Amino acid sequence: GAGVSQSPSNKVTEKGKDVELRCDPISGHTALYWYRQSLGQGLEFLIYFQGNSAPDKSGLPSDRFSAERTGGSVSTLTIQRTQQEDSAVYLCASSLPGGARAGELFFGEGSRLTVL
Amino acid sequence: LAKTTQPISMDSYEGQEVNITCSHNNIATNDYITWYQQFPSQGPRFIIQGYKTKVTNEVASLFIPADRKSSTLSLPRVSLSDTAVYYCLVGGHGSSNTGKLIFGQGTTLQVKP
Repeated sequence: GAGVSQSPSNKVTEKGKDVELRCDPISGHTALYWYRQSLGQGLEFLIYFQGNSAPDKSGLPSDRFSAERTGGSVSTLTIQRTQQEDSAVYLCASSLPGGARAGELFFGEGSRLTVL
Repeated sequence: LAKTTQPISMDSYEGQEVNITCSHNNIATNDYITWYQQFPSQGPRFIIQGYKTKVTNEVASLFIPADRKSSTLSLPRVSLSDTAVYYCLVGGHGSSNTGKLIFGQGTTLQVKP
C-alpha cells in the first residue's frame, strides 16, 4: 500500500498476556518510529529505528517492552505481561533518512490496545 | 534534543486567521521545524515544514525568525473542520539519521461557529 500500515487496529487482551503490534512502513523509508498515545494525551516517544538498528531505546517504558525491525522494513512492538496502564493507542510512523525531508513523518492509523 | 513549548489550547471563530507559536530555544543547526495536525482517533498528519524565513503551502504558512528559536504556524480563514490538535516538532538533523523526534504537548485549537 501507499501508506503506513498497522495491525491489528484494535486489540483487547487480558492482563498478563503478551501482545505483538505490527507496523509496515512506506517502501523506501529507512526511519521508523513508535509512539504511544494515552487517551487525551500527547505522543510519547518509545523507540526509533534507522534501518534495522535502534540507536535509542530510552523511551521504552519498561523491560516488558521490546521492538525489532527486520529487513529494513516491517517492525514489531512486543509488550510482555501486559498491564492495564499499557492501554493506549500505539502509533507507528516512517520517514526518509535525514536532510530536508527528515522530520516529515508519515503515521499509520494506530493500534488501539485495551488491557482488561 | 530541542524541546518545544506551545500554548495548551486556543479558541477561534470561523473565518479568522489563527497563529500558533512554538518556542524551541535550543534548536540545533541542522534541525528542521515541522508542524502536524491530529484529529481524534487518527494519526498525526504533516502540515508544513521549514528551516528558516517563510514557507507557504496550500493549507498554511510557517514563519521562522532569523534566530530560529521560535516558529509560528498560520492558518488562514479557519473553518470548523480545522478543530484539532497541532504539534510542533523540531529535529531531523543529520544527513543519514533522522534522530530521536520528540513531540511536545501540542495545541488544541477549537474553532467555533
